[in-house]
Amino acid sequence: NAGVTQTPKFQVLKTGQSMTLQCAQDMNHNSMYWYRQDPGMGLRLIYYSASEGTTDKGEVPNGYNVSRLNKREFSLRLESAAPSQTSVYFCASRNSGSDYGYTFGSGTRLTVV
Amino acid sequence: RKEVEQDPGPFNVPEGATVAFNCTYSNSASQSFFWYRQDCRKEPKLLMSVYSSGNEDGRFTAQLNRASQYISLLIRDSKLSDSATYLCVVNQLTAGNKLTFGGGTRVLVKP
Repeated sequence: NAGVTQTPKFQVLKTGQSMTLQCAQDMNHNSMYWYRQDPGMGLRLIYYSASEGTTDKGEVPNGYNVSRLNKREFSLRLESAAPSQTSVYFCASRNSGSDYGYTFGSGTRLTVV
Repeated sequence: RKEVEQDPGPFNVPEGATVAFNCTYSNSASQSFFWYRQDCRKEPKLLMSVYSSGNEDGRFTAQLNRASQYISLLIRDSKLSDSATYLCVVNQLTAGNKLTFGGGTRVLVKP
């Protein structure tokens, strides 16, 4: 089925470990986004890529890096995980034009101990 | 003031009743509007876009009031399966083609 695929779905890390969250979309969307969602905080934008070859910081970029590998793939890397990064991470994509909303992946539930 | 504000609820609704709630936005230049539904521990999913003239999709009706800068969602004949958090989403034409989310309104439909 067409959509946004995120891997892994669940992950437990120890403080200081690194990992990369993968995201791929097959809808030929130009823009891709990484959000985190914490209880009572709503969705907060970490990084985004408006188009292939560009990336920009969102609201909460500290402790993260991203790579827009090609039009389909946008990865999020935690270089040295901290307990404050325990969260649910959602990748989303969107086509250009004001009439389109986001399509979200199913999320990665990350726990840092 | 938040850019997009919603009453967090919860709205406790008897099954079969009607419930309505609003979302206010601060940027008068906002171009497009959406309602998303999010179930517990799941990703947000697009419920419906909101058009200037208002629009309906089955039991759901969305309205836009540009003068007062709010959008609304009305759910008729509520079902138990309508229990979810409803997210108001606004396209403010910011850099990066980004959308702005409200904090969500939680709806609980009870038998």
